[in-house]
Amino acid sequence: QKEVEQNSGPLSVPEGAIASLNCTYSDRGSQSFFWYRQYSGKSPELIMSIYSNGDKEDGRFTAQLNKASQYVSLLIRDSQPSDSATYLCAVNPFDKVIFGPGTSLSVIP
Amino acid sequence: DGGITQSPKYLFRKEGQNVTLSCEQNLNHDAMYWYRQDPGQGLRLIYYSQIVNDFQKGDIAEGYSVSREKKESFPLTVTSAQKNPTAFYLCASRDRAIDTQYFGPGTRLTVL
Repeated sequence: QKEVEQNSGPLSVPEGAIASLNCTYSDRGSQSFFWYRQYSGKSPELIMSIYSNGDKEDGRFTAQLNKASQYVSLLIRDSQPSDSATYLCAVNPFDKVIFGPGTSLSVIP
Repeated sequence: DGGITQSPKYLFRKEGQNVTLSCEQNLNHDAMYWYRQDPGQGLRLIYYSQIVNDFQKGDIAEGYSVSREKKESFPLTVTSAQKNPTAFYLCASRDRAIDTQYFGPGTRLTVL
């Protein structure tokens, strides 16, 4: 079983819609959870971090964490073409961060 | 300007040659990491260091070596023993206070 899994892409949504990205992890001891955005040919940039159960909102982005279900998600409201990228879920059970394979998102104008 | 720098941005190497990738940070972070990313793939951990003069192997350390003589610097050497070195190499450092990793711009290595 992979340690961090993400919903397979590519995911296509029309401009203005809500994009929903999902991630599950296997280590119940994980305490920190992150979403990174990676544009083609560029390095990942942090867009959200979440540490406790519930929702965390930052502008158009909302991260949701459910430790009992070992599930973390990212919602992007009012999706824009500039949101088209690969989104990486990352989990930190100890001193190593474990990354998921990423979900490619395409926002269609 | 605080951040993580990697050089060079692009690197070409002939088979059988060793090459060293540079990673420098002025964020005062103790922990630093090296990842490899292949096209369409996720990040794979090569080596990491929690403190100066100490480092640990990641998941794919074979064919790579590192040193951590200074807090600011964590160079990665890709040796001739690495079978498929062509990839995008990413360096990161971690802010322990908020338990978050930040990435440098990356080095794209191509073996000719």
